[in-house]
Amino acid sequence: AQKITQTQPGMFVQEKEAVTLDCTYDTSDPSYGLFWYKQPSSGEMIFLIYQGSYDQQNATEGRYSLNFQKARKSANLVISASQLGDSAMYFCAMREGSNFNKFYFGSGTKLNVKP
Amino acid sequence: DAGVIQSPRHEVTEMGQEVTLRCKPISGHDYLFWYRQTMMRGLELLIYFNNNVPIDDSGMPEDRFSAKMPNASFSTLKIQPSEPRDSAVYFCASSLGLAGSPGELFFGEGSRLTVL
Repeated sequence: AQKITQTQPGMFVQEKEAVTLDCTYDTSDPSYGLFWYKQPSSGEMIFLIYQGSYDQQNATEGRYSLNFQKARKSANLVISASQLGDSAMYFCAMREGSNFNKFYFGSGTKLNVKP
Repeated sequence: DAGVIQSPRHEVTEMGQEVTLRCKPISGHDYLFWYRQTMMRGLELLIYFNNNVPIDDSGMPEDRFSAKMPNASFSTLKIQPSEPRDSAVYFCASSLGLAGSPGELFFGEGSRLTVL
């Protein structure tokens, strides 16, 4: 079974609109972390936001927020007020605390922001 | 502080040649990961180390691939002999464990390998 599933290979959003990128995960480990990374066309991997499995509140970092629904095992990334510079590949990832801290990445979602 | 440093940034070689990719993790990080990224297969975890000890090498594609971490500040990924299908971007990343919240991976800029 896939540990991280991102079902949207590509998405379009209008500049200044909000967009949600989907991510579901699969783990039986009670201690885990969920991460989102951005990879622009230049290729570097940029860490955006983190949610711990025991965190009660949804994580937020500026225009990024993580919609964490633990029972549904989903960790969707919400980008508010999209900007042209948000056009990039976005990866959801999970780290299992009890499984030797192994890190799993999803297949990514390519976001295109239209002017 | 310096980030994760990878070398070379670009490597073009001919099939059959040996390729060595190098990585210097962030000082103090006790985990080091090697990933390969291609359009077809996305990001693949090849191997990762904890305190210089390989923890999981199940992602290493074949015996042609080997990785070492002789000390806390240096790791190599070697491909011998190289093949055209090895062409990819190879990322090295380091981190603290999850207990070092948040435990995110810090990536190097990647080594783009082209095997002709």
